[in-house]
Amino acid sequence: NAGVMQNPRHLVRRRGQEARLRCSPMKGHSHVYWYRQLPEEGLKFMVYLQKENIIDESGMPKERFSAEFPKEGPSILRIQQVVRGDSAAYFCASSPPSAVEQYFGPGTRLTVT
Amino acid sequence: QKEVEQDPGPLSVPEGAIVSLNCTYSNSAFQYFMWYRQYSRKGPELLMYTYSSGNKEDGRFTAQVDKSSKYISLFIRDSQPSDSATYLCAMVPNQGGKLIFGQGTELSVKP
Repeated sequence: NAGVMQNPRHLVRRRGQEARLRCSPMKGHSHVYWYRQLPEEGLKFMVYLQKENIIDESGMPKERFSAEFPKEGPSILRIQQVVRGDSAAYFCASSPPSAVEQYFGPGTRLTVT
Repeated sequence: QKEVEQDPGPLSVPEGAIVSLNCTYSNSAFQYFMWYRQYSRKGPELLMYTYSSGNKEDGRFTAQVDKSSKYISLFIRDSQPSDSATYLCAMVPNQGGKLIFGQGTELSVKP
């Protein structure tokens, strides 16, 4: 059973460009979470999605960030007009319905130059 | 005040030692408590989770929750160099919610 997959693993963007991060959950998992990890900090929740629904986006910055989990295909975290402060590791986690445990992918390391 | 406090370390122990990792929290609504292990530049790996107070054992790992003190612990027996990693505690009030993480404790087990 393949784990959570994320791509790309590394992404370099110039200031002002767009970044798209993709996450494919584990088979049978319909819940997806995105977290951000800044250097010397723990993981911070960003958004919780189920298929075609955003359940909780309380951790998402109000501007430039959006997320979706379409009926078909991976979940996408989109960052528009990136700034240097967006440089971080972005992790996706998935869980089956009615479960508390979340399984993490390897992360996408975004560097903004 | 952070919802979950965890000493970042680093913590260095000799091989074979018993390791104790701890977190405190302020939100009494938390019901599920988890421990993740994260190797450098990798994703967090779920070690174990417990519901409410009590102990749970899995091999060399024991998780302990004391809700009255809002204090959780992870013990590692017979520690190995391969246990060298950052250990993150996380907690959540209910199933299907966002995890609140501690900062993580960096552990180094010396041969």
